[in-house]
Amino acid sequence: DAGITQSPRHKVTETGTPVTLRCHQTENHRYMYWYRQDPGHGLRLIHYSYGVKDTDKGEVSDGYSVSRSKTEDFLLTLESATSSQTSVYFCAIASGTTTDTQYFGPGTRLTVL
Amino acid sequence: AQSVTQLDSQVPVFEEAPVELRCNYSSSVSVYLFWYVQYPNQGLQLLLKYLSGSTLVKGINGFEAEFNKSQTSFHLRKPSVHISDTAEYFCAVLVLNTGFQKLVFGTGTRLLVSP
Repeated sequence: DAGITQSPRHKVTETGTPVTLRCHQTENHRYMYWYRQDPGHGLRLIHYSYGVKDTDKGEVSDGYSVSRSKTEDFLLTLESATSSQTSVYFCAIASGTTTDTQYFGPGTRLTVL
Repeated sequence: AQSVTQLDSQVPVFEEAPVELRCNYSSSVSVYLFWYVQYPNQGLQLLLKYLSGSTLVKGINGFEAEFNKSQTSFHLRKPSVHISDTAEYFCAVLVLNTGFQKLVFGTGTRLLVSP
């Protein structure tokens, strides 16, 4: 257990509404990541962070923004949710003296109607 | 670009039988490879990883994988599976960028173990 929690765990929302997902870690890890998981695609990186206020885009960042104002929290925002953003979202942290191993949170299942 | 291919989307097997889940990678630089397992309605859990050294890597739950540079493969094996091994398995390669590392995942293989 790498001390990662995600909230909410489940959410149903409507197209066009803003949605924010939260990832919280308790062990002061520098690197944090947001992925989405879709059938046939595996996990794809949305955004990542390498420190407070230091973030960058992953391979599927369109329609998403992130913020990290504290080490422990990494927020993923869908400014205007679309049905194509229905997915399971996972947060991960990189642990240890190197960043090679990532540990994952339990996931958030988001449904956009 | 570095990438990972898992050719089998689903592998059915009987309990106590051996299993191999295939993973091939493409990379022109140093290779760091991982296998993760995802049980139903859970997050991903690290099974094992290859960074350097012995090409045979042992992981949790009796799984092992062999790094084969000439065949660009990192297949996952278990000599005798249990019902509880039913899960989805993901192979991943670590991509090294300046000052940052990220994982690129395969599309996953669903292992279905039946009695």
